[in-house]
Amino acid sequence: GAGVSQSPSNKVTEKGKDVELRCDPISGHTALYWYRQSLGQGLEFLIYFQGNSAPDKSGLPSDRFSAERTGGSVSTLTIQRTQQEDSAVYLCASSSDRDIPEKAFFGQGTRLTVV
Amino acid sequence: AQSVTQLDSQVPVFEEAPVELRCNYSSSVSVYLFWYVQYPNQGLQLLLKYLSGSTLVKGINGFEAEFNKSQTSFHLRKPSVHISDTAEYFCAVSGGGSYIPTFGRGTSLIVHP
Repeated sequence: GAGVSQSPSNKVTEKGKDVELRCDPISGHTALYWYRQSLGQGLEFLIYFQGNSAPDKSGLPSDRFSAERTGGSVSTLTIQRTQQEDSAVYLCASSSDRDIPEKAFFGQGTRLTVV
Repeated sequence: AQSVTQLDSQVPVFEEAPVELRCNYSSSVSVYLFWYVQYPNQGLQLLLKYLSGSTLVKGINGFEAEFNKSQTSFHLRKPSVHISDTAEYFCAVSGGGSYIPTFGRGTSLIVHP
């Protein structure tokens, strides 16, 4: 596609439920990043995929968070047993060159609200 | 480890006035520096970047930033702002073997008529 696409754009869920957030990167981009944007907290790195390498999961805040990337393209971020503190905008970005993050393109994000 | 500090969470300014958004970073190795802009209800867009070479870099929409290694700063400036510049601005750093940009908390630029 023309840009990074994320779905859904908004998600309201009840505390304790699981949610899945989807990211479709730009075709051909080998690097994919997930960030979380909380009010007043800036962007918090969550996980990074590069090609077929093992992902860098160092930013995942707890074991309730996981992500996968199938076929080197679409990625799904899963949050199990959601908590109110998980409410945030989840941003996905993709890049064609892992050495130059300038080429990272961001999606518009999924706004998650846990009630 | 890298970190970015954006000293101002909010900067109000009148239209056509100059503005400076401050960014300081810490890193033990050479870095790449970026400014991203997020307009209301839109995704992040790259505004400008410093990779190497000239310390004064120019970006889109009349913005520029100056890399100051001794002060570990990368402040963003515009000589005359417009209402349409109202947005959230994020400073980011990467490099030194890390492919993952580290972002600051953001500065909300509010331009008043």
